Amino acid sequence: DTEVTQTPKHLVMGMTNKKSLKCEQHMGHRAMYWYKQKAKKPPELMFVYSYEKLSINESVPSRFSPECPNSSLLNLHLHALQPEDSALYLCASSQARDFEKLFFGSGTQLSVL
Amino acid sequence: AQKVTQAQTEISVVEKEDVTLDCVYETRDTTYYLFWYKQPPSGELVFLIRRNSFDEQNEISGRYSWNFQKSTSSFNFTITASQVVDSAVYFCALSEISNAGGTSYGKLTFGQGTILTVHP
Repeated sequence: DTEVTQTPKHLVMGMTNKKSLKCEQHMGHRAMYWYKQKAKKPPELMFVYSYEKLSINESVPSRFSPECPNSSLLNLHLHALQPEDSALYLCASSQARDFEKLFFGSGTQLSVL
Repeated sequence: AQKVTQAQTEISVVEKEDVTLDCVYETRDTTYYLFWYKQPPSGELVFLIRRNSFDEQNEISGRYSWNFQKSTSSFNFTITASQVVDSAVYFCALSEISNAGGTSYGKLTFGQGTILTVHP
């Protein structure tokens, strides 16, 4: 199984809503990532988890709250988002000990109204 | 700071033409990795190749080939006999190896991407 699965594929939410994005992998990877991609732009790193611990937060606003409940799951909790947060949110994973290629999910297309 | 430049914003070719996507990078690291990813309309980023900074051998994989030249800080990607299914956005990326919590992970800096359209 070489897949990173993200749900939902599409999400529309209002600025007062609370929602969560989910990412799952069963490749035994111990590093997991959240990237944000605006239309016609490259992905930008948001968070990195290594061995279920938050290793990197790229100065992401607190309305985005990541969580790694176990080595296979990565969540991104969303609260009080702004319309400019509308984007494709990509999850990725990699081997933790030796840097390997990232495996990306197909993303969640988020629209904030 | 690391930087990746893909000067070609969009390329349009007719099927069976060869096409080269350019990538130029900047880094102060002596050890780094270079990547090419493909992003089809479905959205996921598909890994194509990884190259480390000590391996300047060119590589060929089927219709794909890569030319890594450290002297010019370039890592160009050629598709031979292009097909409609090659239509996608292609990203060149550069990684810095970071350590946190005792483990290594890759932090990718992506270029702006090149939109390749292959017409039948």
